[in-house]
Amino acid sequence: DGGITQSPKYLFRKEGQNVTLSCEQNLNHDAMYWYRQDPGQGLRLIYYSQIVNDFQKGDIAEGYSVSREKKESFPLTVTSAQKNPTAFYLCASSAQGDSPLHFGNGTRLTVT
Amino acid sequence: SQQGEEDPQALSIQEGENATMNCSYKTSINNLQWYRQNSGRGLVHLILIRSNEREKHSGRLRVTLDTSKKSSSLLITASRAADTASYFCATARSYNTDKLIFGTGTRLQVFP
Repeated sequence: DGGITQSPKYLFRKEGQNVTLSCEQNLNHDAMYWYRQDPGQGLRLIYYSQIVNDFQKGDIAEGYSVSREKKESFPLTVTSAQKNPTAFYLCASSAQGDSPLHFGNGTRLTVT
Repeated sequence: SQQGEEDPQALSIQEGENATMNCSYKTSINNLQWYRQNSGRGLVHLILIRSNEREKHSGRLRVTLDTSKKSSSLLITASRAADTASYFCATARSYNTDKLIFGTGTRLQVFP
């Protein structure tokens, strides 16, 4: 079954710690994306990548970092520099062009 | 930055009734897409309408696009309790189709 897998579903961290969220896809999609969703709000773009070894900042990249060493994988690191990291994080992928996004089921990160 | 704004923010209807959600955006677009999100899950793509199209249908869904007013509407006919979810519009800008910008969403509750 093709799809996007995000892990873990829930993640708890202490303030000041970096944490990495996993995103893997087996759809053979070139493009991958990370969005952040806060309660009752829409999605805001953190980073995106159109091809392997290349990525661009989205609207709220500060305090986050990514890598794209493999086509299938696009991990997101939430660093201690991110001031309000507690949120629901969604990973998505798409084929090139104006193809729709396929989403994972998200990781809910809580930092205390 | 949010490109789209959905209206209303929340909508409650009875099963069998129609539900209409509206989306307004600010800049020229290449296409507009509608997504659905069940609580605590990822988004699912519903329908894509291009800037040169005015109306599109998919099952019980009907989407219209008015580029002169920079607005779109999503109509769900004969709603079911299973349609209960949040609905988001997302736009791909004319000059940068690499990324989608999401609106704030409409929360739809369908009562049996």
